[in-house]
Amino acid sequence: NAGVMQNPRHLVRRRGQEARLRCSPMKGHSHVYWYRQLPEEGLKFMVYLQKENIIDESGMPKERFSAEFPKEGPSILRIQQVVRGDSAAYFCASSQVDSSQYEQYFGPGTRLTVT
Amino acid sequence: GDSVTQMEGPVTLSEEAFLTINCTYTATGYPSLFWYVQYPGEGLQLLLKATKADDKGSNKGFEATYRKETTSFHLEKGSVQVSDSAVYFCALSEKGNKLVFGAGTILRVKS
Repeated sequence: NAGVMQNPRHLVRRRGQEARLRCSPMKGHSHVYWYRQLPEEGLKFMVYLQKENIIDESGMPKERFSAEFPKEGPSILRIQQVVRGDSAAYFCASSQVDSSQYEQYFGPGTRLTVT
Repeated sequence: GDSVTQMEGPVTLSEEAFLTINCTYTATGYPSLFWYVQYPGEGLQLLLKATKADDKGSNKGFEATYRKETTSFHLEKGSVQVSDSAVYFCALSEKGNKLVFGAGTILRVKS
């Protein structure tokens, strides 16, 4: 049973370019969460999605960031017009139902570097 | 809002020493509590969890007890190994299901 998969593992973008981060949840999981880890900080919640629905986006920056989890295919976190401050590790987690009963399983992360 | 505070690191111990990493939380409701571990270059792995007061989570020799009266969930291990060197995160989850993390504590174990 494959775990949560994220790609790419490392992504380098120049300022102003777009970054697309992909997350495939564990088999049978329909809930996806995105977290961001800035250098030497803890993880901060960004967005929680179910298939075709955004449930909670309270941690998403108001501009340039968007997320989707289509009926088919992986969840995508999209960052438009990246800036140096977007450099961070972005982690995806998935759970079976809601995480009050089922734990969240994390992927290996995508490390974004903006030059 | 909800928050988690854990002791600052790095914590440096000799092999077989006793480990304690303190964690306290603030929550409006009745959260579930977790400890996650992150090895270099990897994602987070759930180490242990507790969902109600006085529950003790345990795994791989690590333990933590949910103390509602002191709003704490301290991580302990009786005898650490070099392979325990990692970053440890305390976290809580309440309504809305998102995890709220502490800043993380680096543990270094010397042989």
